[in-house]
Amino acid sequence: AQRVTQPEKLLSVFKGAPVELKCNYSYSGSPELFWYVQYSRQRLQLLLRHISRESIKGFTADLNKGETSFHLKKPFAQEEDSAMYYCALFIRTGNQFYFGTGTSLTVIP
Amino acid sequence: NAGVTQTPKFQVLKTGQSMTLQCAQDMNHEYMSWYRQDPGMGLRLIHYSVGAGITDQGEVPNGYNVSRSTTEDFPLRLLSAAPSQTSVYFCASSPERGGYHEQYFGPGTRLTVT
Repeated sequence: AQRVTQPEKLLSVFKGAPVELKCNYSYSGSPELFWYVQYSRQRLQLLLRHISRESIKGFTADLNKGETSFHLKKPFAQEEDSAMYYCALFIRTGNQFYFGTGTSLTVIP
Repeated sequence: NAGVTQTPKFQVLKTGQSMTLQCAQDMNHEYMSWYRQDPGMGLRLIHYSVGAGITDQGEVPNGYNVSRSTTEDFPLRLLSAAPSQTSVYFCASSPERGGYHEQYFGPGTRLTVT
């Protein structure tokens, strides 16, 4: 069973529009959740993690345990946000990371 | 720090050939892992290690072997390459900071099996 679900494979928004990338997870314990980003020709890198409660490059993500979601949001998309975004879950008991299938975000100028 | 390094960057194999993908990190991370990235399937964990001498299977371990003789190195071996193993392979390492993990990825190895 898929532990992490990202329902949108492709997402296009106009520059300046709000963007939300959806992520739902399946885990009954305390999750460690992350968003990773892969820009063109760059390696995967951490964007943010739920424990930090921080905003990186204008992105935020709130853990909703009731809905088992960790959606990534940004109020005003920029062209440089175009990239592949992966939601990831770390389960401590199994020592394994689980990644979603990714969402390719394109910001249209 | 070089971070996580992977060699080679590209490789073409014929079906049945074997090879080793190299991965090294200089950050003294205990946790290391191998993923394959396929279109529409995201990243899938092949094998992982929580420290030298300790390895375990991930989601898709068949056809791959790993070993961890040192903290720094975590090679991935393809025993008998198959076209289904055509993929981009990523190695990653992770510290545990404050009880939480985050991963640092290598640049990837693009493997084609013909």
